[in-house]
Amino acid sequence: GAVVSQHPSWVICKSGTSVKIECRSLDFQATTMFWYRQFPKQSLMLMATSNEGSKATYEQGVEKDKFLINHASLTLSTLTVTSAHPEDSSFYICSARDHTSGVAYEQYFGPGTRLTVT
Amino acid sequence: KQEVTQIPAALSVPEGENLVLNCSFTDSAIYNLQWFRQDPGKGLTSLLLIQSSQREQTSGRLNASLDKSSGRSTLYIAASQPGDSATYLCAVYDTGGFKTIFGAGTRLFVKA
Repeated sequence: GAVVSQHPSWVICKSGTSVKIECRSLDFQATTMFWYRQFPKQSLMLMATSNEGSKATYEQGVEKDKFLINHASLTLSTLTVTSAHPEDSSFYICSARDHTSGVAYEQYFGPGTRLTVT
Repeated sequence: KQEVTQIPAALSVPEGENLVLNCSFTDSAIYNLQWFRQDPGKGLTSLLLIQSSQREQTSGRLNASLDKSSGRSTLYIAASQPGDSATYLCAVYDTGGFKTIFGAGTRLFVKA
């Protein structure tokens, strides 16, 4: 099946710094990628939808200036957490849709990135 | 607004039991429904995807059914094993907002 990778798998940063997380579709082209965050023992919350070559669409309550999303190519989307604070500590997961797979709108998920802000 | 509910929130069963996890959604206008497994601290593993035109999908000991008109899906796990212990998430791809909406999950523990 299709593979989505994320880098880094975990990161620790100091409060006030910025962190970039990469999401790559390894064997397919993804015109649409999604970013989720997950707090401990909770489900996934969609943060934004990223379309290649255009601005991301953010969900209500998600600060677009804090969570910068760039989808510069059909295989790469990045999420930058700017001026990170301890409350931004979470598990961030990206996913991508392979519209050519023949399986309508199946979503492939990356392994996640655990961010800890100290 | 689409809402996805999973029942029960947690389940503990002895090894070998057959079990059913339930998922319900409020808006039947969906493209598909997916069941995922998530181990602690890990990402998601897709188990089964049912397209809106289908009624069920099977993979090994897993069987998922979909009744779109009533807004319900079930995940049946046969002959459960300790290795099945994980959180199981149900998600629907909503045609209204073109988004995938997740349920809160069912935490399953299979005792040896």
